[in-house]
Amino acid sequence: EAQVTQNPRYLITVTGKKLTVTCSQNMNHEYMSWYRQDPGLGLRQIYYSMNVEVTDKGDVPEGYKVSRKEKRNFPLILESPSPNQTSLYFCASSLQGATEAFFGQGTRLTVV
Amino acid sequence: GDSVTQMEGPVTLSEEAFLTINCTYTATGYPSLFWYVQYPGEGLQLLLKATKADDKGSNKGFEATYRKETTSFHLEKGSVQVSDSAVYFCARRDSTLGRLYFGRGTQLTVWP
Repeated sequence: EAQVTQNPRYLITVTGKKLTVTCSQNMNHEYMSWYRQDPGLGLRQIYYSMNVEVTDKGDVPEGYKVSRKEKRNFPLILESPSPNQTSLYFCASSLQGATEAFFGQGTRLTVV
Repeated sequence: GDSVTQMEGPVTLSEEAFLTINCTYTATGYPSLFWYVQYPGEGLQLLLKATKADDKGSNKGFEATYRKETTSFHLEKGSVQVSDSAVYFCARRDSTLGRLYFGRGTQLTVWP
């Protein structure tokens, strides 16, 4: 089954404790991206990757890191999480060009 | 400014009512346009899309027409059901870099 898998689905952590949210897709998509969803703000892109070893900042990259060492994986790293990073996070993947994106189920992160 | 602007919610309707959610975009060139739907507790799913001017996307009774002259992609459904209750996102995809830009989402609640 074609899918984008994020883990974990739910995470509560403390300020400053490094964490990684994993994202994996099995569709051989070149393009992957991370979004955060906050009430009243919709979805905002954090980082995106056009292919292996090619990443770039989205609209809200501060406090986040990503890597793309393999085509299927695109982890999101929070080196020192802060409470303002409490949010619902989505990973998405797609083929290059004007095609639709496929989304993971989301990761609800709470930083206390 | 926002590159995708959609109608503010929430929208509350009775079952079988007519639905319109307005969406306009700003872009150079000819972006692809999408409507995504997010059911409670789930990730985003593609509802419909249109890739060129005058295309009509349709799915599950929903329709939207790509209007280049008014830079709009309004979502419509003739008779909504309780099961249509969800958040709807309008999006455009940059034709060169492939980035997706989302509107802020419109919460739809349908009462029986």
